[in-house]
Amino acid sequence: DAGVIQSPRHEVTEMGQEVTLRCKPISGHDYLFWYRQTMMRGLELLIYFNNNVPIDDSGMPEDRFSAKMPNASFSTLKIQPSEPRDSAVYFCASRKSGTGGGEQYFGPGTRLTVT
Amino acid sequence: KNEVEQSPQNLTAQEGEFITINCSYSVGISALHWLQQHPGGGIVSLFMLSSGKKKHGRLIATINIQEKHSSLHITASHPRDSAVYICAVFRGSQGNLIFGKGTKLSVKP
Repeated sequence: DAGVIQSPRHEVTEMGQEVTLRCKPISGHDYLFWYRQTMMRGLELLIYFNNNVPIDDSGMPEDRFSAKMPNASFSTLKIQPSEPRDSAVYFCASRKSGTGGGEQYFGPGTRLTVT
Repeated sequence: KNEVEQSPQNLTAQEGEFITINCSYSVGISALHWLQQHPGGGIVSLFMLSSGKKKHGRLIATINIQEKHSSLHITASHPRDSAVYICAVFRGSQGNLIFGKGTKLSVKP
């Protein structure tokens, strides 16, 4: 398997623009997670899905952030409008239920810079 | 107070030294994970533990369930071990992991 795929790997945009991050989980995995990583706060869970349904979105910072999972092989995280404080690395991860320990597989991340 | 605490936050060592990174947690768990992230890189899983001890090469991870504590040891450290090491716990009842803030390790030649 190719692992978790994220695109783009790098995104530079201007404040106020819409940003869409994409994720393809590992085939057969039924959980998908979106994280944000900054130097100050480390890894923060934004939202996670189980069987394409959002389960916990309490980590989504504000209404500017939205996430969708239209099918088992694709998810998007959208920021509209973007702000400089959104600059971070965004990771997507997936896992398969029933594996016991909750091991997640991370994508390579998208480095977002908002100027 | 964070549910998962790591110490130290930063660690500098000389090549060859024995290194210990600690993780304490305050919730009941079904498993604990140690993850590694190289500078500018992705996050990979090193160990998943629910009891006892695991070893992989020069890395050893231990967990004491009663004391809610885990340690990651690196023997004969090498500059390529320089990375951020992240502890995370899985509660089982929830779908997600709870992460510590990470320990940044720098091994000097």
